[in-house]
Amino acid sequence: AQSVSQHNHHVILSEAASLELGCNYSYGGTVNLFWYVQYPGQHLQLLLKYFSGDPLVKGIKGFEAEFIKSKFSFNLRKPSVQWSDTAEYFCAVNVDTNAGKSTFGDGTTLTVKP
Amino acid sequence: NAGVTQTPKFRILKIGQSMTLQCTQDMNHNYMYWYRQDPGMGLKLIYYSVGAGITDKGEVPNGYNVSRSTTEDFPLRLELAAPSQTSVYFCASSYLATTYEQYFGPGTRLTVT
Repeated sequence: AQSVSQHNHHVILSEAASLELGCNYSYGGTVNLFWYVQYPGQHLQLLLKYFSGDPLVKGIKGFEAEFIKSKFSFNLRKPSVQWSDTAEYFCAVNVDTNAGKSTFGDGTTLTVKP
Repeated sequence: NAGVTQTPKFRILKIGQSMTLQCTQDMNHNYMYWYRQDPGMGLKLIYYSVGAGITDKGEVPNGYNVSRSTTEDFPLRLELAAPSQTSVYFCASSYLATTYEQYFGPGTRLTVT
């Protein structure tokens, strides 16, 4: 079974700082990768996803992530964070053979100080 | 579209009580999922369904039951509630598996005392 590891449980940044959240997964086959975000008081929603093609994917609100197959990683980045990016971020992976059951990381809470 | 809706938003149960968490989606999605999220932890899959009449266990199914009589509805039943079931419960749906993202409901915060 696949597993997902998010290295940072809580990240605190000042506005305009750059962000990188780590995500590693364990699975030897083809994977589909997602980053979800949960803003305070809101639903989880999709930030971006990768399933094939260009390993650098762009999502909403200026976020991007790079899939590095050799490192089993899918790190999330943003060059300049804003206070409104304060949220919890979840990395998830699913594989083609299991009915879309996603495995989620434990989440990273991002706090951006104004 | 309302998307995925869940009721109730909050509930307090006494040990041994039972309840049903409701989940409805209006996007005609075949795939539906129930997760629980404990503090500081990721989402753990309880049950999932690939279509009406078809359900299967996820990672943490003990103490729960589901049914899927229609495409739209996927209720989660808690029998004999225990403090270990105190959690936030999320329902999600997806058009297809794998490359399609999941759409989440707002969650139900359940406390068992």
